[in-house]
Order: sequence, then C-alpha cells, then structure tokens
Amino acid sequence: AAGVIQSPRHLIKEKRETATLKCYPIPRHDTVYWYQQGPGQDPQFLISFYEKMQSDKGSIPDRFSAQQFSDYHSELNMSSLELGDSALYFCASSLGPGTSNNEQFFGPGTRLTVL
Amino acid sequence: AQKVTQAQTEISVVEKEDVTLDCVYETRDTTYYLFWYKQPPSGELVFLIRRNSFDEQNEISGRYSWNFQKSTSSFNFTITASQVVDSAVYFCALSEANTDKLIFGTGTRLQVFP
Repeated sequence: AAGVIQSPRHLIKEKRETATLKCYPIPRHDTVYWYQQGPGQDPQFLISFYEKMQSDKGSIPDRFSAQQFSDYHSELNMSSLELGDSALYFCASSLGPGTSNNEQFFGPGTRLTVL
Repeated sequence: AQKVTQAQTEISVVEKEDVTLDCVYETRDTTYYLFWYKQPPSGELVFLIRRNSFDEQNEISGRYSWNFQKSTSSFNFTITASQVVDSAVYFCALSEANTDKLIFGTGTRLQVFP
C-alpha cells in the first residue's frame, strides 16, 4: 500500500539559509500534519492542513511557514535556519481532520542538519 | 492541560522476558484518544494502537497487549516474550476530540538483549 512520501530524506544547510520540505500524503488523504522531533526528544506538533486550509497550529516558529496545495501535498518552508532547527521532521496524513476517527499515518521523516 | 508521562526513560531486558511500558496521561476532556507508536533505530514512527476514552477493553495483538484504566489515567503496554527486534523507543500519545495534534510522551527506550 502507498505510504506518506517525504522529500528529501536528508538535508544539510548552513545557518541563516532556507529549506523546503515536501510531503506527499497517502492517496485520497486530505489532511496533512507536520511534527518536529529534536535529538532525543518526542515529536512536537507544528501545524496541520485540511482541504488546503490551516486546521490547527502548534509551536511553529514564525520563521516557518507551510501550505497545502490543490493536489494535497504540503510544503514546510523554513527560513533563517538556526542550529536548533536540526531535527527529524515528520509529515503525517489522514482521511479527514482531527483524530476522532482518523488515524495519522506517518512518513519516514526528513532529517535536517543545520551547520 | 494535556500531558503524557512516560516515567521509564530506558528499560533493558533479556530476550523472552515480559516487559511493561507505563503511560500516564492528563486531560480535562471526556472524549480523547490514546496511542502507542514504535520508533526503531531507523527513525520512522510505526503506529501500534489507538483507543478512545469510551472503550476500556484491554486489547491483545500477538505478543502485544494494552491495559487501559481510566480510574488511574493509565494506558500501559506489555510485550510478552520480548525479542531483539522489539528494541526501539516507544511513545505513548494523547489527542483530545476535535483537535489535530498528538501530544507525545517523552518515550521509553527499550533494549532487548539476546
């Protein structure tokens, strides 16, 4: 079965550079979630989109922005990168928003390293 | 406020031992959902189980079992006859109704030695 696709899988950037992470949800899934997992930490919710509209927001820095496109894929844009942004970034998708009846399927993650 | 506590930072067992991973949660909502995820060394998050707050039935899936007790706000996970492949970080997570976000505990690193 098709899974959530994230690209790139690994990314190395310098401080103050920008980065764009991409997420392709499971076919027919209309909701996308982004999580950030720092080294040795638990995943932290950043933001989610349902039908191309932001549906929930967590602790996402102002330097980050995200959107969901008409084909439901999502991009997380990160500017003025800092050393502390080094983390594993997960995308998840579900059929419908919220977790009431909708399991979030996680992608393999993008490992971002900021030097 | 939502909170998930996994007091066990790291557990080491020898293969074939049974092991229980503890999870205690806090929420003010009456409708909520509890999850367990496995994160092997390769890094991906693998979904194991979801329970809603109205279903306190314990669940068994092969060597895995879960004990949900609302009276103690706990959702513990037991692996029977552990195997080396069970070595991973296990996260317990909570979500309240009508919200998108999963609140994760800090995780328990399980090491199973041959």
